[in-house]
Amino acid sequence: DAKTTQPPSMDCAEGRAANLPCNHSTISGNEYVYWYRQIHSQGPQYIIHGLKNNETNEMASLIITEDRKSSTLILPHATLRDTAVYYCIVRPNTNAGKSTFGDGTTLTVKP
Amino acid sequence: DTAVSQTPKYLVTQMGNDKSIKCEQNLGHDTMYWYKQDSKKFLKIMFSYNNKELIINETVPNRFSPKSPDKAHLNLHINSLELGDSAVYFCASSGRVAIYYNEQFFGPGTRLTVL
Repeated sequence: DAKTTQPPSMDCAEGRAANLPCNHSTISGNEYVYWYRQIHSQGPQYIIHGLKNNETNEMASLIITEDRKSSTLILPHATLRDTAVYYCIVRPNTNAGKSTFGDGTTLTVKP
Repeated sequence: DTAVSQTPKYLVTQMGNDKSIKCEQNLGHDTMYWYKQDSKKFLKIMFSYNNKELIINETVPNRFSPKSPDKAHLNLHINSLELGDSAVYFCASSGRVAIYYNEQFFGPGTRLTVL
């Protein structure tokens, strides 16, 4: 699986958009970009995933660059409950596509 | 309704003992996983089963033996526990939608402490 690079930590003001970057310059053609988050040692929670097109769901938006070497997770209106460690993962979309979690980004949403 | 459940939530035991952690998913998924999260919060996959067959084994010591009696259950048995086995163990499952495997659903974790 391709490696990803994320900033170790970020702060965001409550109500503002949180933009979390991820570099995955060695991503291969069959690998998707997944985002998960882990709130205070709970089990990781799926947020969103995409291949090359931008994606949006009720939780977040995912912007993937045209060359697919980086992506940005956007939480449009961050709340205090969004404080968590956010993981960017690239993996094939198969049952053998294990999720290799890196160090992630610790997002702290402040009042 | 709990999608992925694990028991026990906490497990404290002595070095050298044998223990098991159970995992069950009611999502109808055909793939299940075990992950280990150590004290540095690094989350690493250990095993993956698809329809009761082992498909991923990430160089885990033989003391760890996963068992999948059916595709809704993936239990983890650990023999001769060592201090370094202390960690939080997460079970997860994923299913197939058309030709794609989507997100993994994680359980709440089992915190294992070996004394």
